[in-house]
Amino acid sequence: DAKTTQPPSMDCAEGRAANLPCNHSTISGNEYVYWYRQIHSQGPQYIIHGLKNNETNEMASLIITEDRKSSTLILPHATLRDTAVYYCIVREGRGSTLGRLYFGRGTQLTVWP
Amino acid sequence: DSGVTQTPKHLITATGQRVTLRCSPRSGDLSVYWYQQSLDQGLQFLIQYYNGEERAKGNILERFSAQQFPDLHSELNLSSLELGDSALYFCASSSDGELFFGEGSRLTVL
Repeated sequence: DAKTTQPPSMDCAEGRAANLPCNHSTISGNEYVYWYRQIHSQGPQYIIHGLKNNETNEMASLIITEDRKSSTLILPHATLRDTAVYYCIVREGRGSTLGRLYFGRGTQLTVWP
Repeated sequence: DSGVTQTPKHLITATGQRVTLRCSPRSGDLSVYWYQQSLDQGLQFLIQYYNGEERAKGNILERFSAQQFPDLHSELNLSSLELGDSALYFCASSSDGELFFGEGSRLTVL
């Protein structure tokens, strides 16, 4: 059970910000929000994760609402290479003994020139 | 390059046969995960090993089995293959949190 809801598809113009929403209304206190992406049948690639606070790294920003029931992944300047399926996942805890990932259907992001 | 190596990249076999897929995790990662991705099912978690022991099981068929060896590499054995077993099989490894995926083994059953 993926425990998340994402729109099946979105598109974005190259150079613009891509904002990908995710609902996780049943998230519990010790569950993290993870984002992965999969480019055309390649192995999924880790993007970012967070618990409560907003997070930023070199790939993206993650905004989590105060009630933690939803989040948004932001790709600040989308490029054609960002075209992929983006998966939002909730996962219990950290450490290798916990928290296998359950993938839903994700959002197909298409970046157009 | 995630550091996770999977072999073979492609495999074509016939129904009823048995195959073995191999995964070498990133250096130092103790956990290995196997996932199956077919066109109509998305990414399905199969099984997790941690330092040689089975840790969690997902939607893994009884015809499938896996193990993790002392050197931490893992093998996924698929037997009595059916047409519906045609899929991409991904291995991932982890040490603390993030999973790093290999490029997958594409299995075609004819």
